[in-house]
Amino acid sequence: DQQVKQNSPSLSVQEGRISILNCDYTNSMFDYFLWYKKYPAEGPTFLISISSIKDKNEDGRFTVFLNKSAKHLSLHIVPSQPGDSAVYFCAASPNSGNTPLVFGKGTRLSVIA
Amino acid sequence: DAGITQSPRHKVTETGTPVTLRCHQTENHRYMYWYRQDPGHGLRLIHYSYGVKDTDKGEVSDGYSVSRSKTEDFLLTLESATSSQTSVYFCAISGQGWDYGYTFGSGTRLTVV
Repeated sequence: DQQVKQNSPSLSVQEGRISILNCDYTNSMFDYFLWYKKYPAEGPTFLISISSIKDKNEDGRFTVFLNKSAKHLSLHIVPSQPGDSAVYFCAASPNSGNTPLVFGKGTRLSVIA
Repeated sequence: DAGITQSPRHKVTETGTPVTLRCHQTENHRYMYWYRQDPGHGLRLIHYSYGVKDTDKGEVSDGYSVSRSKTEDFLLTLESATSSQTSVYFCAISGQGWDYGYTFGSGTRLTVV
């Protein structure tokens, strides 16, 4: 059973607009959430993270929102740029140690110029 | 910033042959992971290591074994390759603190014919 779900396989957004990528999780033990970005033929790279003690974390154009009661998080990219076109993975972990991350299936974002 | 390298980058092998993929790190990190990426499945954990000679199974460990005899090297072996093991394999290392996430290697594309 999938514990981390990204229900939109793909998303297309115009340059300059907001991109919103969604992620749902089922395991109530998850306390730490991360987003990774992946370009073709490269490994995923860490983008932004959030702990369950927060409901928002911001880093430049990227903001992650966490709604723990709904078991839902979202990544907002404002403004979207063509270089943001990539696959985005949501990941979660139950603690701050090194318990392996559980990843979603990913969402492919295309930013159209 | 190659603190982690995977070899080979590409490999084609025949069904039934053993295959070993190598992950090498120069960061002296304790934790290392092997994931596979497949269309429609995202990133799935195969095995991970929390120290020299300390390893554990992940979600999709059947048909795979690992070894870690030195901090810097984590080997993934397909004991008898099958076509279902055609995939892109990523190694990751984990440093201090969860909020920095993992650093991934560039991946090994394995094709089993």
